[in-house]
Amino acid sequence: GQQLNQSPQSMFIQEGEDVSMNCTSSSIFNTWLWYKQEPGEGPVLLIALYKAGELTSNGRLTAQFGITRKDSFLNISASIPSDVGIYFCAGQERGSQGNLIFGKGTKLSVKP
Amino acid sequence: DAEITQSPRHKITETGRQVTLACHQTWNHNNMFWYRQDLGHGLRLIHYSYGVQDTNKGEVSDGYSVSRSNTEDLPLTLESAASSQTSVYFCASSRQVGYEQYFGPGTRLTVT
Repeated sequence: GQQLNQSPQSMFIQEGEDVSMNCTSSSIFNTWLWYKQEPGEGPVLLIALYKAGELTSNGRLTAQFGITRKDSFLNISASIPSDVGIYFCAGQERGSQGNLIFGKGTKLSVKP
Repeated sequence: DAEITQSPRHKITETGRQVTLACHQTWNHNNMFWYRQDLGHGLRLIHYSYGVQDTNKGEVSDGYSVSRSNTEDLPLTLESAASSQTSVYFCASSRQVGYEQYFGPGTRLTVT
């Protein structure tokens, strides 16, 4: 079935640095979502995108729905220790029955 | 505030036993989902429901069943637990198909 390629798999950064991660697919998506998961918890929705080219911010987080509709990007500015976690992308493939497909996640570690 | 809860949070059971994991949401969402999360596999869809009396198989449904008798609950049953079903299980719900899903805190199941 369809898979989402999420990169990088992991990142080790210094507090204060900016972070970029992305998610790509081989087919067109109608929806892109970004989640964060902390240890022992369920994924928490960060940003939802529904239109090609859409750019949405949530505090220090900014995500974009790629213009080709086959990718999405998440940026975190001025990272802080509490940004640590696993970030997942998810999306609904055009023409599918509607269920979301999830990437395997980007594990973010922040050094104080 | 509306929420989605899962119980128990941790469960240890023996091979061959029947186990039921509970999921309850107060969002009044029609759509509910069960996923399992394993290292290296990300989130995989087990079963889902688009409304009362509706249930559907996901990509890893063998050995699992669900029933939907009301809007709020979607219990997941492992008919005869196997060691391969040791995992973390997440329930989610959504207002519309293909739109953002909201996750519960998860149940960590160990089958010995």
